[in-house]
Amino acid sequence: EVQLLESGGGLVQPGGSLRLSCAASGFTFSSYAMNWVRQAPGKGLERVSGISGSGDITYYADSVKGRFTISRDNSNNTLYLQMSGLRAEDTAVYYCAKGTLPHCSGGGCYPIDYWGQGTLVTVSS
Amino acid sequence: EIVLTQSPGTLSLSPGERATLSCRASQSVSAAYLAWHQHKPGQAPRLLIYGASSRAAGIPDRFSGSGSGTDFTLTISRLEPEDFAVYYCQQYGSSLITFGQGTRLEIK
Repeated sequence: EVQLLESGGGLVQPGGSLRLSCAASGFTFSSYAMNWVRQAPGKGLERVSGISGSGDITYYADSVKGRFTISRDNSNNTLYLQMSGLRAEDTAVYYCAKGTLPHCSGGGCYPIDYWGQGTLVTVSS
Repeated sequence: EIVLTQSPGTLSLSPGERATLSCRASQSVSAAYLAWHQHKPGQAPRLLIYGASSRAAGIPDRFSGSGSGTDFTLTISRLEPEDFAVYYCQQYGSSLITFGQGTRLEIK
């Protein structure tokens, strides 16, 4: 059974930093791309970052580029999101999400087939 | 970036009724690379449909997807109490994954 368990969320002041983790189990972690998708209060879903199975290809939404860093530890089946320069608009539930392929290509990307339950990040003074 | 617009924003129906949810793309979604996800409060979202019309493992056959190009539909043939949730479409036909804003399906 695929399981994705996020941790690391919490309350942080504007300009602060936070690191999210996602512990994965039930599948061959290194074979699949992983993503962080967030949902701000009252809003829809936004993919903020993605990383290939091998970790060599990354994607960032313009809204977080230069502030967030995605990484993965394939030996420990863990996905990370290092967030810095946090802003009020980063307040959201952050979901860890698994893709069905190792990476996107010019011909397209992949559907997300498993999600974690999410971790809440609140940026406020 | 392909923008997905879902309609209606909220759909009020009774158990046993048929639900039809729409997802329209700002440009053609190649190879019908469109998925649908169900999200209930406090739970992890769940993949229902991929490739516009293929049901994910374990999804009941009352859920069906159709469409191509820019217009896609999720149909729930006979609503069960557990189907009331928010539904999102996701396109993956470009290298940028995007989601619709969601349709809330509520009990009438």
